[in-house]
Amino acid sequence: GDSVTQMEGPVTLSEEAFLTINCTYTATGYPSLFWYVQYPGEGLQLLLKATKADDKGSNKGFEATYRKETTSFHLEKGSVQVSDSAVYFCALRQGYSSASKIIFGSGTRLSIRP
Amino acid sequence: GAGVSQSPSNKVTEKGKDVELRCDPISGHTALYWYRQSLGQGLEFLIYFQGNSAPDKSGLPSDRFSAERTGGSVSTLTIQRTQQEDSAVYLCASSLSERDYEQYFGPGTRLTVT
Repeated sequence: GDSVTQMEGPVTLSEEAFLTINCTYTATGYPSLFWYVQYPGEGLQLLLKATKADDKGSNKGFEATYRKETTSFHLEKGSVQVSDSAVYFCALRQGYSSASKIIFGSGTRLSIRP
Repeated sequence: GAGVSQSPSNKVTEKGKDVELRCDPISGHTALYWYRQSLGQGLEFLIYFQGNSAPDKSGLPSDRFSAERTGGSVSTLTIQRTQQEDSAVYLCASSLSERDYEQYFGPGTRLTVT
């Protein structure tokens, strides 16, 4: 079945450091890919998405590019802030012809030191 | 406008008891999803409802779990004869339709089975 694998956490960085959180997927067809974020004490929220190969999703300085050849959707940010501390989930969702459930990776906890 | 709400926010129950968890989706959203977030399993899909269609129950872990959605709005997830492995955060999400990429998540119900 479909699955998502993301790098183990926790990841601890200093403020203004460069961030990469790796994510690879296994899926049939052409799923949509997502990054969700869960800030401390808050609900899960969509950070960015890409719906087809070579699309780049971006939001709040974060970016991720849908790479079909490497089945990857790595999350990057050039300069992280303390407020980026959260748990990040890579996820996929199949198209309209099948169930719309989201399949999540295990999550990566990110902590940013001032 | 109001987001997805869930109640209770926390529930502690004894092993063997039944529990009911409630989800109020965003008004007008036709699709509703239940997920479970636990330490050992990450975020996993449980069940989803779309309009008047039969729900997709493929993620329910056992027949002790059931869910219903009344009037196309509020949903209740019921766990019968709770076990300690049922301890988790139960998340509800809704989307405008099955075709809507973004699912909006509630804050979750933390269930602890003692």
